[in-house]
Amino acid sequence: DAGVIQSPRHEVTEMGQEVTLRCKPISGHDYLFWYRQTMMRGLELLIYFNNNVPIDDSGMPEDRFSAKMPNASFSTLKIQPSEPRDSAVYFCASSLFRDRDGNEQFFGPGTRLTVL
Amino acid sequence: DAKTTQPTSMDCAEGRAANLPCNHSTISGNEYVYWYRQIHSQGPQYIIHGLKNNETNEMASLIITEDRKSSTLILPHATLRDTAVYYCIVRVDETSYDKVIFGPGTSLSVIP
Repeated sequence: DAGVIQSPRHEVTEMGQEVTLRCKPISGHDYLFWYRQTMMRGLELLIYFNNNVPIDDSGMPEDRFSAKMPNASFSTLKIQPSEPRDSAVYFCASSLFRDRDGNEQFFGPGTRLTVL
Repeated sequence: DAKTTQPTSMDCAEGRAANLPCNHSTISGNEYVYWYRQIHSQGPQYIIHGLKNNETNEMASLIITEDRKSSTLILPHATLRDTAVYYCIVRVDETSYDKVIFGPGTSLSVIP
């Protein structure tokens, strides 16, 4: 398997523009996660899905952020409108639930977002 | 989920064992201990996890104290490629993903 795939790897945009980050989880995995990493706040969980259904979005910073998972092999994280403080590395991760045996997450390479 | 505390940074000589400690004194009986690492500019990578018993895989060993209030990740023969930030986290299962916290971790520098 190619692992978790994210695109684009780098995104530079201007304040006020819409940004869409994409993620393809590992085939067969039933959980998908979106994280954000900054120097100030470290690695934060934004939202996660189970079987394409959002389970907890309490980590989403504000209404400008939205995430969707239309099918088991694709998810998007959208920021509209973007602001300079959204500049960060955004990671997507997936995992396969295995009862009572631990459940490791597999992370993608991340998208480095810069909002000017 | 229990909170963890780790040293901010550590150094290790190449070829020697790297022992990374983690305190999780408020861990519950059904919480697993997980270790991940993040090499610069890459996504975090799973290393190992355990519940009560010590665990070993091709990457590392995990030693959990009998009272489960602390653990140590051991890289038996550290190489320069092991230079990374190492995160220790604890959680129960899928239902507690919303409480997963990746703290600042330990920045390990392997020195030639």
